[in-house]
Amino acid sequence: NAGVMQNPRHLVRRRGQEARLRCSPMKGHSHVYWYRQLPEEGLKFMVYLQKENIIDESGMPKERFSAEFPKEGPSILRIQQVVRGDSAAYFCASSPLPSGTGANVLTFGAGSRLTVL
Amino acid sequence: AQKITQTQPGMFVQEKEAVTLDCTYDTSDPSYGLFWYKQPSSGEMIFLIYQGSYDQQNATEGRYSLNFQKARKSANLVISASQLGDSAMYFCAMRDPLEGGATNKLIFGTGTLLAVQP
Repeated sequence: NAGVMQNPRHLVRRRGQEARLRCSPMKGHSHVYWYRQLPEEGLKFMVYLQKENIIDESGMPKERFSAEFPKEGPSILRIQQVVRGDSAAYFCASSPLPSGTGANVLTFGAGSRLTVL
Repeated sequence: AQKITQTQPGMFVQEKEAVTLDCTYDTSDPSYGLFWYKQPSSGEMIFLIYQGSYDQQNATEGRYSLNFQKARKSANLVISASQLGDSAMYFCAMRDPLEGGATNKLIFGTGTLLAVQP
């Protein structure tokens, strides 16, 4: 009964390179959320996706960042032309169809830690 | 806009003692959910406990209980009989409603670092 799987766990990139972070939700979950945690801070919402559909991207930076959740395969968070300020832990969480009420809990992956040199 | 506030950057507690971690929230939505997550040094986020705004009783899960005071908009986490393994960062979170639909999007507080001393 695998939980939310994120890879890579650690990623090092030089400034200007691209970073791709992958997330496979829990079995039976069709909704994925990406969060970013800067050092010494809490988690900040980035984007919420269903299969083939972005529902809420209000937390995504306007440039260089994109996310997708294709019909087949994992969700991908893509950061183009990375800068030092992108260094953070990126967490993916999944849930079943949200009801907006009740303990419809987000299950988090272990996170991907991006370091930009 | 919804907001979660955790005013304690760090806390110490003796092993086997109880500790309360504070959380206040602000929302104009009559229906909301409050969550606590634990983040140990290994980094993963572990769900601990949930409280719904219409729940009549305070939530409990083993050694964790939530002191929910709706009028004061507070949802403090109480950990009883602290153990060394409880040393971690603790985050309070609120479900953020999506206009026109349901969501499990959460907004998080800044966290409290708990250190359990032997």
